Amino acid sequence: EIVLTQSPGTLSLSPGERATLSCRASQSVSSSYLAWYQQKPGQAPRLLIYAASSRATGIPDRFSGSGSGTDFTLTISRLEPEDFAVYYCQQYGSSLTFGGGTKVEIK
Amino acid sequence: EVQLVESGGGLVKPGGSLRLSCAVSGFTFSNAWMSWVRQAPGKGLEWVGRIRGKTDGGTTDYAAPVKGRFTISRDDSKNTMYVQMNSLKTEDTAVYYCTTDHYGSGTLDYWGQGTLVTVSS
Repeated sequence: EIVLTQSPGTLSLSPGERATLSCRASQSVSSSYLAWYQQKPGQAPRLLIYAASSRATGIPDRFSGSGSGTDFTLTISRLEPEDFAVYYCQQYGSSLTFGGGTKVEIK
Repeated sequence: EVQLVESGGGLVKPGGSLRLSCAVSGFTFSNAWMSWVRQAPGKGLEWVGRIRGKTDGGTTDYAAPVKGRFTISRDDSKNTMYVQMNSLKTEDTAVYYCTTDHYGSGTLDYWGQGTLVTVSS
């Protein structure tokens, strides 16, 4: 099973700042099968990025994904108040696994 | 508009059983791959299992912690997916979400609101 490790666990930033979230895999992941999700308290997760770098429908262009192999990154170029949430990476290889999440909180 | 609505959650004793349902609308259900994902209180997301669409054989895959205890099925005439959960353990306590699985890519593009299952004596 591929293990995904997200860092940092918590990111404390101010609105307008840039957020960089990391997702590292225990073995190589096909870029086609790497996704990012956003979850706010009391809500279901929402798909942000699929195939490592493609934005899902309706996702603002301040969200971008990059990476390949074992290292992937989600970048939020300028944080808006509604972006403070928990973010999960997820891969589908032989099975489907999620990272432990990164909480982006207001500084 | 795509909608997924889970139901069937509740309180059950360890060793007991429960069946969750996921009613869908807004897309052609019979060919859709679907997954269940759960989230224990205050914890992260954990994939439970998936079922393929009709044209891909309707077969299932499960995560190791639930294999042999959970069974995912579908009734295409009712646009509904199910998960039968047997031999429940306290560690199965979680919110259970149903999701679409985009053409089997593992991209979970639409999610329901979730239903809470509590396993406790």
